Amino acid sequence: GQQLNQSPQSMFIQEGEDVSMNCTSSSIFNTWLWYKQDPGEGPVLLIALYKAGELTSNGRLTAQFGITRKDSFLNISASIPSDVGIYFCATGGGADGLTFGKGTHLIIQP
Amino acid sequence: NAGVTQTPKFQVLKTGQSMTLQCAQDMNHEYMSWYRQDPGMGLRLIHYSVGAGITDQGEVPNGYNVSRSTTEDFPLRLLSAAPSQTSVYFCATNIAGASLGGQYFGPGTRLTVL
Repeated sequence: GQQLNQSPQSMFIQEGEDVSMNCTSSSIFNTWLWYKQDPGEGPVLLIALYKAGELTSNGRLTAQFGITRKDSFLNISASIPSDVGIYFCATGGGADGLTFGKGTHLIIQP
Repeated sequence: NAGVTQTPKFQVLKTGQSMTLQCAQDMNHEYMSWYRQDPGMGLRLIHYSVGAGITDQGEVPNGYNVSRSTTEDFPLRLLSAAPSQTSVYFCATNIAGASLGGQYFGPGTRLTVL
């Protein structure tokens, strides 16, 4: 099946720092989604991207749909403690479900 | 409006036992799906349904059955549990299709098979 390469696998940062993570694939997609999962909870959609080159913000979060349609980036500015969690990229379309990356664990050190 | 609910939240089974994981939604979404989440593997699609009476297999369907008799409910059945099915199971819904607008996930069922 399709594979998404998400990096980094984990990040240890200080509060207030900016965060960048990305997702790449060998296939072209029409949709890129970014989810966040808190411990013990299901993933929650953060940002959805539907157009190559699209740049979308949601508060301190900004995501971009790569121009080649094979990658996407998520940036978090001025991180705060509640940003801790696992961030997943996902792609896919139609009826056969989403393909998820393996996640980026974000850990914020006091 | 409860969104997507899953029961039970936790379950321990012995190898060979059967059980049904329940998923219900009150958003009148046509599309429902089941994923499993394992450490280091992300989420993988088990089965999905595009509407009542219609189901299909995802990436990892072996050992699981589903049915969709109503729009609201999409139960996942394990007929003979195996330790390899120890995982966290998430139900997800969408208005239509898998990705348009993203999916809404339930809180998950944590299953351990001994």
